[in-house]
Amino acid sequence: EAEVAQSPRYKITEKSQAVAFWCDPISGHATLYWYRQILGQGPELLVQFQDESVVDDSQLPKDRFSAERLKGVDSTLKIQPAELGDSAMYLCASSLRAGTGAQTQYFGPGTRLLVL
Amino acid sequence: DAKTTQPTSMDCAEGRAANLPCNHSTISGNEYVYWYRQIHSQGPQYIIHGLKNNETNEMASLIITEDRKSSTLILPHATLRDTAVYYCIVEGSNYKLTFGKGTLLTVNP
Repeated sequence: EAEVAQSPRYKITEKSQAVAFWCDPISGHATLYWYRQILGQGPELLVQFQDESVVDDSQLPKDRFSAERLKGVDSTLKIQPAELGDSAMYLCASSLRAGTGAQTQYFGPGTRLLVL
Repeated sequence: DAKTTQPTSMDCAEGRAANLPCNHSTISGNEYVYWYRQIHSQGPQYIIHGLKNNETNEMASLIITEDRKSSTLILPHATLRDTAVYYCIVEGSNYKLTFGKGTLLTVNP
C-alpha cells in the first residue's frame, strides 16, 4: 500500500538554528498538506499545496517558516531560526486532487522536532 | 467551517463494540464527515468518511443521523490495538480538516 514518506523521523536542534523537513506524497497525489501538532492537541494545518502552488498558508508563521513544492511532487518545510516553541510533531499529508467530492487525506509518520 | 464536539475519553472492553459519538450541529449540506485515529506518536490514520448515508468498510461503520447533526463511529469488535485518539472532523472549505482534541478511546482487556 502506498504511503506518505517523511524524513527525518526525529530532529533535535538548538534554538536559532535552521531546520528542514522533507515529504514525499503518495504517487499521483496533487494536493499536499503540512500540519503541526503540539503535544496534547490535534494537528493544525500550516500550508496546503495544489501541485506546485500554495492554496492556503494563512496559518504559516511566514517570518520564520517557509514551504516549497517546486516540481509539484515532494515538498520541504523549513524553519529559520528555530524557537523553543517550535517543538512539535510536523506531519505531511496528501490527497488526490482538490475538486468535486471528498478528498481523503493520508498522513505520513511525522517528524518530531525538539528545540533546545 | 463546522465545529465538532466529542467526549474527551471513553472506555471499552476488548471484544465489545466501541461506539464513539460526535456532534456537528452546524454542518452544511455538502460537507463530509471524516473520522481519523491517532495511535501514540504516529501520524493520523484515515478510518472512514460519509456525507448522508451510513458507510461501512473493513475498519468501522459510520452512522449519520438523518438531520446530519451527529454521527457515531462503530468499531464492531474492539481490540487493544484500537486504543487511540479518535478525531471526528467536518471537512471545510478547500478540503481543510480542522482537528479538535478528539476522544481518547481506551480498550481494556
